[in-house]
Amino acid sequence: DIQLTQSPSFLSASVGDRVTITCRASQGISSYLAWYQQKPGKAPKLLIYAASTLQSGVPSRFSGSGSGTEFTLTISSLQPEDFATYYCQQLNSYPSFGPGTKVDIK
Amino acid sequence: QVQLQESGPGLVKPSQTLSLTCTVSGGSISSGGYYWSWIRQHPGKGLEWIGYIYYSGSTYYNPSLKSRVTISVDTSKNQFSLKLSSVTAADTAVYYCARTPRWLRAFDYWGQGTLVTVSS
Repeated sequence: DIQLTQSPSFLSASVGDRVTITCRASQGISSYLAWYQQKPGKAPKLLIYAASTLQSGVPSRFSGSGSGTEFTLTISSLQPEDFATYYCQQLNSYPSFGPGTKVDIK
Repeated sequence: QVQLQESGPGLVKPSQTLSLTCTVSGGSISSGGYYWSWIRQHPGKGLEWIGYIYYSGSTYYNPSLKSRVTISVDTSKNQFSLKLSSVTAADTAVYYCARTPRWLRAFDYWGQGTLVTVSS
């Protein structure tokens, strides 16, 4: 089984801040990593796939990088609508998700 | 625009079988090229992939749930379904259906989710 960990698990930030979330895999997964945003009561929304490719319609302030076992999601300038929980997900073997990072308002 | 919609009972008794259906609109399951998944989220917790099916009927399940899960597809109705047997309170969760393009390796369209509570 491939385990994903995320850090931090909770992040307090202000509008306009640059935010970085890290996802680590227990073994190499090439670039088979995606990032999702989830707001309360809603389904997750795909932001980035293949580690760094922005899903259609997602604002360019979101970016992803990494390969192998370490990946990052960066929000260049946090907007009010970005306060949510973010999950990473791998599909190198059967799909699994990280535990999530909640981004809250400072 | 592809849309997915879950349906099924919101309350299931312990030891019984949970049954949910996902209806796909705006695209055909039988067109191929996509895996159709079930994913669940325990209250206040993270996401757990349950399994997926291809239009041909090929399935792949999470090893931790494999003994209790059956996913099937009805291409004539453009639906796929989940059955989870011998449920306990630990199976209480929001259940989502979702689509994965074979080349994408990510879930690009999701249903809104349906809460299933296991309780007597």
